[in-house]
Amino acid sequence: SQTIHQWPATLVQPVGSPLSLECTVEGTSNPNLYWYRQAAGRGLQLLFYSVGIGQISSEVPQNLSASRPQDRQFILSSKKLLLSDSGFYLCAWSIDSGMVQFFGPGTRLTVL
Amino acid sequence: AQTVTQSQPEMSVQEAETVTLSCTYDTSESDYYLFWYKQPPSRQMILVIRQEAYKQQNATENRFSVNFQKAAKSFSLKISDSQLGDAAMYFCAYRSSQFSDNYGQNFVFGPGTRLSVLP
Repeated sequence: SQTIHQWPATLVQPVGSPLSLECTVEGTSNPNLYWYRQAAGRGLQLLFYSVGIGQISSEVPQNLSASRPQDRQFILSSKKLLLSDSGFYLCAWSIDSGMVQFFGPGTRLTVL
Repeated sequence: AQTVTQSQPEMSVQEAETVTLSCTYDTSESDYYLFWYKQPPSRQMILVIRQEAYKQQNATENRFSVNFQKAAKSFSLKISDSQLGDAAMYFCAYRSSQFSDNYGQNFVFGPGTRLSVLP
């Protein structure tokens, strides 16, 4: 069966520090991968998506970036965090032409 | 662009009773998919149910069922025999059926409805 992992589960970082969140999927090949951000009490905002290794599309301009160095690995990064980057970050994957998305457990990021 | 609206920010239901969560969407497409996701306090997003727009029959998963009204662009979720574990945020989502390299552009989520279950 397929599983999706995210780490770390929680992270507290000072403003201006770098960020690296990792997402890996097991049990499937060539998945579509997504990064979402969820502010407190709000819906999901799509940040990045990838249909293959090295292929990244951005939905919202920001100081965040994403990379896909391997087929089942998706990384969310920042060189300098802002206070507004605080939130809950969810990674998701899909197959079958992207009909259903399955989500990871998420990372809670607090920027102080 | 497609939009998804959930007009009820919060709902509550008595344990063992039935509750209906509303969702409307806007699209010019004729073929698409609709989903309900549940996000409990653990924040894990869980797929509850999905509906293909070309199917007239409403989807059902145990205590969860939908009322899909294509002409009205409405997709409500009914939870029967509510349980304490049903307390969560519920998100309605839309997915175009069109194949595209831009898969990410084809998932649209509503703002969510927070459901409380009263013992």
